[in-house]
Amino acid sequence: DSGVTQTPKHLITATGQRVTLRCSPRSGDLSVYWYQQSLDQGLQFLIQYYNGEERAKGNILERFSAQQFPDLHSELNLSSLELGDSALYFCASTRTSGGPVDEQFFGPGTRLTVL
Amino acid sequence: GENVGLHLPTLSVQEGDNSIINCAYSNSASDYFIWYKQESGKGPQFIIDIRSNMDKRQGQRVTVLLNKTVKHLSLQIAATQPGDSAVYFCAENSGGGADGLTFGKGTHLIIQP
Repeated sequence: DSGVTQTPKHLITATGQRVTLRCSPRSGDLSVYWYQQSLDQGLQFLIQYYNGEERAKGNILERFSAQQFPDLHSELNLSSLELGDSALYFCASTRTSGGPVDEQFFGPGTRLTVL
Repeated sequence: GENVGLHLPTLSVQEGDNSIINCAYSNSASDYFIWYKQESGKGPQFIIDIRSNMDKRQGQRVTVLLNKTVKHLSLQIAATQPGDSAVYFCAENSGGGADGLTFGKGTHLIIQP
C-alpha cells in the first residue's frame, strides 16, 4: 500500500458526460501528479500540482482539468467524454515539488470506461 | 490485467534465473531514471533509480545500468521469483524536477516455474 488513495476504483459512463476523479496523497506529501494509462499510449503524464498550484503540464487535453485543494487532495475533471478517454487514471504524490530525491508513490488507479 | 492489448514486449525466464530488461530513452537532457514494476490491478511501484552522473546502482536483487552514450538503461533482476512477474517500465525525468515522468512502453516479465 503506497499511502495514496484514489476514488472511485471503477467508473462507467457515456460519451459526452463529465466525471470527477479524486486523489488523496500520502500524508505530508505536497505534490500530486496525474497520469493516464491507455492501451495504445501507455502511461502518460497529464499534470502536476504542488501545494495547491499548478506546477507542470504534460499531454493533458483541454477537456480535462484538475485542481488541488487546501487539504492537498486533488481532483481530475474529465468532460465531454469520448470513447478514447477510456483508460486507467493514476495519481502519484511526492514529498516536495519533485525531482531526483523525491520518489513518486502511485495510487491504485481509477478505471474509466466510456460507452 | 490492465496491460492486455498493449502488445508489450514479453520476456519469459525460468524461476531462479537472472532477468535483464532493456530500455532506450530519447532525451539526452534526462538526468534521472527510474524503474517501476506494475502488477495486474495495481499502480506502478518504484524499484530502483539512478542519476545521470552514475553508471550503475545496486539494490536488493536488482541492478540498474545506465549507458548515456547510447541512451540505454537496463534492469537486472537476480534469481527471479514468481512474485517478479509483472510489467516493468523505465521512466525518465528530463530535468528541472517539476515535470512528470516520461514512461517507456513497458516489458512484460513472465516467470516460468
